[in-house]
Amino acid sequence: GENVEQHPSTLSVQEGDSAVIKCTYSDSASNYFPWYKQELGKGPQLIIDIRSNVGEKKDQRIAVTLNKTAKHFSLHITETQPEDSAVYFCAASRSGGSYIPTFGRGTSLIVHP
Amino acid sequence: NAGVMQNPRHLVRRRGQEARLRCSPMKGHSHVYWYRQLPEEGLKFMVYLQKENIIDESGMPKERFSAEFPKEGPSILRIQQVVRGDSAAYFCASSPDLGLAKNIQYFGAGTRLSVL
Repeated sequence: GENVEQHPSTLSVQEGDSAVIKCTYSDSASNYFPWYKQELGKGPQLIIDIRSNVGEKKDQRIAVTLNKTAKHFSLHITETQPEDSAVYFCAASRSGGSYIPTFGRGTSLIVHP
Repeated sequence: NAGVMQNPRHLVRRRGQEARLRCSPMKGHSHVYWYRQLPEEGLKFMVYLQKENIIDESGMPKERFSAEFPKEGPSILRIQQVVRGDSAAYFCASSPDLGLAKNIQYFGAGTRLSVL
């Protein structure tokens, strides 16, 4: 089955800095890679996703890159703000079958004002 | 358009009691997924259901846990004879029926189960 590794487990940055979270996956058939943000006491919220036919996707201050050959994908947050502080999860899944994603263990991002 | 609704938000049970967790998917979604999350860990898949059918229950413990998604009403995750190790946050997600959008899961706020 699929295995998703996520690093780092914690990330502390100053407000205005950039933050990068990296994930690797093992199943070359995976073709959908979402990122979720989970704030304390809440459910995960989809913030951005990318499919395997695209190498990069950007939405305002967040971007995701995908390297299919190396089987890794990354989340980039620029100009971080204190409200970006949360736990971020990456996931990988394939189209077809039961579409069940495999999640990374999460990265706790702390943005210091 | 309301999101995925889960209730209760918090549930306290004593060892040996039953816990029933409910999930109403987003309007128009007929795919429901249940996950368990332990502190400082990721989301672990438990079961995937469509209306009246269990599609994949490979993540469900063999005993005490069951799930259903009836034709009418919410999906139910049922835990019988709870033990302290069942204490966790349980999340439900739903996804739409259309093509590639089936990959996209929308999560509820979760039910936090505490077993005394």
